[in-house]
Amino acid sequence: GAVVSQHPSWVICKSGTSVKIECRSLDFQATTMFWYRQFPKQSLMLMATSNEGSKATYEQGVEKDKFLINHASLTLSTLTVTSAHPEDSSFYICSASGDGLSGANVLTFGAGSRLTVL
Amino acid sequence: GDSVTQMEGPVTLSEEAFLTINCTYTATGYPSLFWYVQYPGEGLQLLLKATKADDKGSNKGFEATYRKETTSFHLEKGSVQVSDSAVYFCALRNSNSGYALNFGKGTSLLVTP
Repeated sequence: GAVVSQHPSWVICKSGTSVKIECRSLDFQATTMFWYRQFPKQSLMLMATSNEGSKATYEQGVEKDKFLINHASLTLSTLTVTSAHPEDSSFYICSASGDGLSGANVLTFGAGSRLTVL
Repeated sequence: GDSVTQMEGPVTLSEEAFLTINCTYTATGYPSLFWYVQYPGEGLQLLLKATKADDKGSNKGFEATYRKETTSFHLEKGSVQVSDSAVYFCALRNSNSGYALNFGKGTSLLVTP
């Protein structure tokens, strides 16, 4: 139980284009979703926190106009990297928090999405 | 703010060797502590956790004890296998920070036959 599906797992795009990454909770309602960025051989850095139906809260230094986060339903959050540039190339990971089937709070990670901007 | 410090890698061990990966933390209040594992090409998986002082988390032969007096949560395994080769992340979760996980930098482990 408590599965999070993240799509796509790999994406290559041209500089200047926008890319959307989806994060879905498959068997529980995710009241909160977190988006992280991981550079090679580095830790995960929290980018933003989103609660269903509310605007995302971005961490200091993260451009909210560049990394658009939508959490319109309890099972889906999207991260859109707008006007992507090579420096945006990274591994993006979502995690979802909510009450699982047993009623206990769960926190589960997606498998991540590797973005390469040419 | 909250932070997690874990030992630098990479760590290389022979199969059946004893493993320790050190992790210390700084946090206000009473955080929960976690170890996550990331196998090559895969996403993060929860390995074990502890939610209060003196709790011991354990899974797949790995153990870690929440030591409030030393603010530590060291990961140990008595006999590692080649399949344990992965990157291990220590993390904390605190209500003061909105329940997002705060990760250490990760420690890469390579186990050789």
